[in-house]
Amino acid sequence: DTEVTQTPKHLVMGMTNKKSLKCEQHMGHRAMYWYKQKAKKPPELMFVYSYEKLSINESVPSRFSPECPNSSLLNLHLHALQPEDSALYLCASSRSRDTYEAFFGQGTRLTVV
Amino acid sequence: SQQGEEDPQALSIQEGENATMNCSYKTSINNLQWYRQNSGRGLVHLILIRSNEREKHSGRLRVTLDTSKKSSSLLITASRAADTASYFCATEDRDDKIIFGKGTRLHILP
Repeated sequence: DTEVTQTPKHLVMGMTNKKSLKCEQHMGHRAMYWYKQKAKKPPELMFVYSYEKLSINESVPSRFSPECPNSSLLNLHLHALQPEDSALYLCASSRSRDTYEAFFGQGTRLTVV
Repeated sequence: SQQGEEDPQALSIQEGENATMNCSYKTSINNLQWYRQNSGRGLVHLILIRSNEREKHSGRLRVTLDTSKKSSSLLITASRAADTASYFCATEDRDDKIIFGKGTRLHILP
């Protein structure tokens, strides 16, 4: 299994809603990443988890809250988002932070209304 | 911070022709990677080249790395319609983060 699975594929939420994005991999990777990608722009790194611990937070607003409950799962909890947060959210994993061959999920397309 | 910069930003070629994309970066790296992204989809890892390698092949892909010029190129030979996508290079920065360049949008014309 060389896949990173993200759910849901599409999400529409209001600005007062609370929702979560989920990412799962079963490759034994110990580094997992969240990226945000706006249309026609490159992905921007948001968070990095290494061995289930948050190691990088790229000054992301607190309305985005990551969680890594175990080595296979990575969540992104969303609360009080703004319309400008609408984007494709990509999850990735790699064997460790020292290996850069990252596997990416297909992304969750988020629309905030 | 480290950033890859691809050029051209957009490239249209006829099917069957070769496509070449370039990436430049600013600081020393351990390795450089190329990714493909079909419209609005997740990224697919294509190839990784380490700083002590100069050239690497994978199928119809050829990647070169010139650390003295801080640049890399991706060559896709005998292009196909399915190669239409955005191509990104990604480099490491001093905090071991993967930083992506702006990408090249490749369009293969039938």
